[in-house]
Amino acid sequence: KAGVTQTPRYLIKTRGQQVTLSCSPISGHRSVSWYQQTPGQGLQFLFEYFSETQRNKGNFPGRFSGRQFSNSRSEMNVSTLELGDSALYLCASSFRRGGDGYTFGSGTRLTVV
Amino acid sequence: DQQVKQNSPSLSVQEGRISILNCDYTNSMFDYFLWYKKYPAEGPTFLISISSIKDKNEDGRFTVFLNKSAKHLSLHIVPSQPGDSAVYFCAASGYYNQGGKLIFGQGTELSVKP
Repeated sequence: KAGVTQTPRYLIKTRGQQVTLSCSPISGHRSVSWYQQTPGQGLQFLFEYFSETQRNKGNFPGRFSGRQFSNSRSEMNVSTLELGDSALYLCASSFRRGGDGYTFGSGTRLTVV
Repeated sequence: DQQVKQNSPSLSVQEGRISILNCDYTNSMFDYFLWYKKYPAEGPTFLISISSIKDKNEDGRFTVFLNKSAKHLSLHIVPSQPGDSAVYFCAASGYYNQGGKLIFGQGTELSVKP
């Protein structure tokens, strides 16, 4: 079966711009979580969506936002990009919330210049 | 405040020997722990998990041990193989309270030498 698909794979943006990243979960999965991976901070939780509702949010500024559509696809948006937003953004999906059923995508590598 | 810590950034082991990766946590509300393996340019892949009601879980060459009183867990890989070379992350969650929110450690890069 198809895995978690994240698009685009690579992205270069200029400081001050905004960006939207997309995540298509495995068919039937309703829970989608987003993570930011940087060399200094490791993997940090951004937010979780389930049935189109944000269920959890990590400690990130309001410039980071997300949403989930009725088909469970999810997008995250970062506005007013800063150099420190350069990171690998990972999305994970699962049929239910919690547990070990989360499958990760390969991520979107965002570079802010 | 880093709630999940992997204090060894790297570990090198000879093929066929045991690899032991360690992880400490501070939040006593965590009740579910997971290990993920990550190759460069790929997302993490789930390896093995353990609930806080257990102290050991085995899956083939992989065994996870949980010591709740010490807030410590470890992953044992026996025997280690060169294909096991990757970055290993431990993660924790409040299974029922925090749903899809996983708190990850910083990772340990394992190198298994032939």
